[in-house]
Amino acid sequence: ETGVTQSPTHLIKTRGQQVTLRCSSQSGHNTVSWYQQALGQGPQFIFQYYREEENGRGNFPPRFSGLQFPNYSSELNVNALELDDSALYLCASSLLPPGSLHNEQFFGPGTRLTVL
Amino acid sequence: SQQGEEDPQALSIQEGENATMNCSYKTSINNLQWYRQNSGRGLVHLILIRSNEREKHSGRLRVTLDTSKKSSSLLITASRAADTASYFCATDWGAGSYQLTFGKGTKLSVIP
Repeated sequence: ETGVTQSPTHLIKTRGQQVTLRCSSQSGHNTVSWYQQALGQGPQFIFQYYREEENGRGNFPPRFSGLQFPNYSSELNVNALELDDSALYLCASSLLPPGSLHNEQFFGPGTRLTVL
Repeated sequence: SQQGEEDPQALSIQEGENATMNCSYKTSINNLQWYRQNSGRGLVHLILIRSNEREKHSGRLRVTLDTSKKSSSLLITASRAADTASYFCATDWGAGSYQLTFGKGTKLSVIP
């Protein structure tokens, strides 16, 4: 158990819809990152938030957006869903601030999104 | 794009044998980490090795890092059926963020 929870566990949406995925980090973990993992691939970095501000973004379009709240929870929003958005979405929290060399990340169990 | 590449893509061994997985990467790094993933679930952090370290041990795990060759290896000794999982290397090369770049992973099967 990493102390990071995600909801929902599974989700089915249709193309064009919007989805919100949620993550709850460990208390004190001010940094949260989101990753997308397609089947048979490694996770790909979407973006990172530190103290409610975006602090780095991967190669994902603007229809992927996020929010981080003061209570260590965060959201990943995806608009205009496409079939290729079907994947496991993972959030990961970190205790140390960005730039620290020892940056162990604690991953949640993920949300499996299927877009039909 | 994927920074790291694990080798082999799949590995099947008998319980009690050692398992070795390799990872290659492309750019200079701050550190390299290994993670385990069971059946498409969340990732579990196994070990982190800094760019100025060459070898690190944790229980039955041994990790080496060769920055001149931009490669790392993970050795699991005396494997158990419970070690069956996918193993990923991840590199931290960006300044100021926790962006980890993962490879595609090695799927390890340990046969009882």
